[in-house]
Parts: sequence; C-alpha cells; structure tokens
Amino acid sequence: NAGVTQTPKFRILKIGQSMTLQCTQDMNHNYMYWYRQDPGMGLKLIYYSVGAGITDKGEVPNGYNVSRSTTEDFPLRLELAAPSQTSVYFCASSTLAGGADTQYFGPGTRLTVL
Amino acid sequence: GQNIDQPTEMTATEGAIVQINCTYQTSGFNGLFWYQQHAGEAPTFLSYNVLDGLEEKGRFSSFLSRSKGYSYLLLKELQMKDSASYLCAVSGVEWGGGNKLTFGTGTQLKVEL
Repeated sequence: NAGVTQTPKFRILKIGQSMTLQCTQDMNHNYMYWYRQDPGMGLKLIYYSVGAGITDKGEVPNGYNVSRSTTEDFPLRLELAAPSQTSVYFCASSTLAGGADTQYFGPGTRLTVL
Repeated sequence: GQNIDQPTEMTATEGAIVQINCTYQTSGFNGLFWYQQHAGEAPTFLSYNVLDGLEEKGRFSSFLSRSKGYSYLLLKELQMKDSASYLCAVSGVEWGGGNKLTFGTGTQLKVEL
C-alpha cells in the first residue's frame, strides 16, 4: 500500500490564482482530513469528510473548498490564492468513528503564494 | 472548544530520559494522541491514551490523567534520531463520527551528544 499520497510536493502561486491539491489514499478509509501547518504552529483542520459525498468545515475553512466523489480521493481547492494561504498542507485518513482510529498523514504540499 | 499547551523546546542528552508534558482543556474528550514529526516530514503516530494510566511501547511511554487534563510522553534511551517535534493532539467527539483532532503547537526536542 502507498498509504496517503499528495501532489504536488511544492507549488508557488501568484495572488489570485487558483489550484487544486490532490490527495489519494489506498487504505479504504472512510474518514479523510485536510490540515494546514504554519511555522511554529500546530496543525489546523480545514475540512474533513466522513465518506464519499459528505464533507464538512473544520476550524479554518475560509478560502478553500473540497469534494469527495470517491472513497479514495479528497481534493482541496484554493480559489483566489492569498499570501495568508502560504503554508504546508497535509492530508490524512482514518478508518473508524471515534476511539483509537489513528490518522495517517500524507507527505504534505508546500505552497507559497506571492 | 479545545486548548492544548506544551513546551516549545526541550534539549536532552543522548542516552538520557526526557518527559514532554501536555495539558489540555476540552469541551469533549475521546482520547489523546502523540505524534512525532521530523523536520520537513509528515506527522507519524506514536501513542494513544483514552483511559488514565501509562501506555508503554518500547522506548516510548505515554501517560494520561483525565481528571487533571494532563498527559506526558516519556522517551527513554534517547537517540540522535529522536530529535523531532512532538505533537500532542486531543480527540473531541463534537460531530457524528471520525476522530476530529485538535493539535498543540508541538515540542521541538533536540538530542545532543
């Protein structure tokens, strides 16, 4: 199993551009998450999904959108990129509701908005 | 909401023991996780506590006291490769499923010779 994969690894955007961060997991996990991590800060939850077709906002959803058309894929869309969205973005997945369902993280996408 | 506090930095010597503390205040609690994150890499799971007490996994142990809102991660026989950030994360059951985690800012551990 590849686990959780993310593309691209790095990206530089200009202000106002848009892009989609891709996330795919091959563990058949129901739950998927998008986090951002700013330097010296903890991970902040952007959006999450409990299954195909179901998504909901996390702590910092403004400026982002998600979709979940399949169990495997959970892309994150940035519309009208802003410098405040410069961050490292991690996708994660887990398998159970509550309890000790460990979240497995992808390698991250390092995004710079200039 | 959730509030999690952990020290920003710690330094320890190779071969020694170090304890990283985490205190939390939460509106719901469904367990506490510790993750390790090396610079430029993704977090990886270390341990999980949902009941009070100590969980041991080789050189790593984690302790939880729910009444005190307190946990610690104990690392024994420190190795240079243990230099990393250690993230405390609390799971709160605030929605209808999944494991919604709130992360602390992490403790940067530096292991020296």
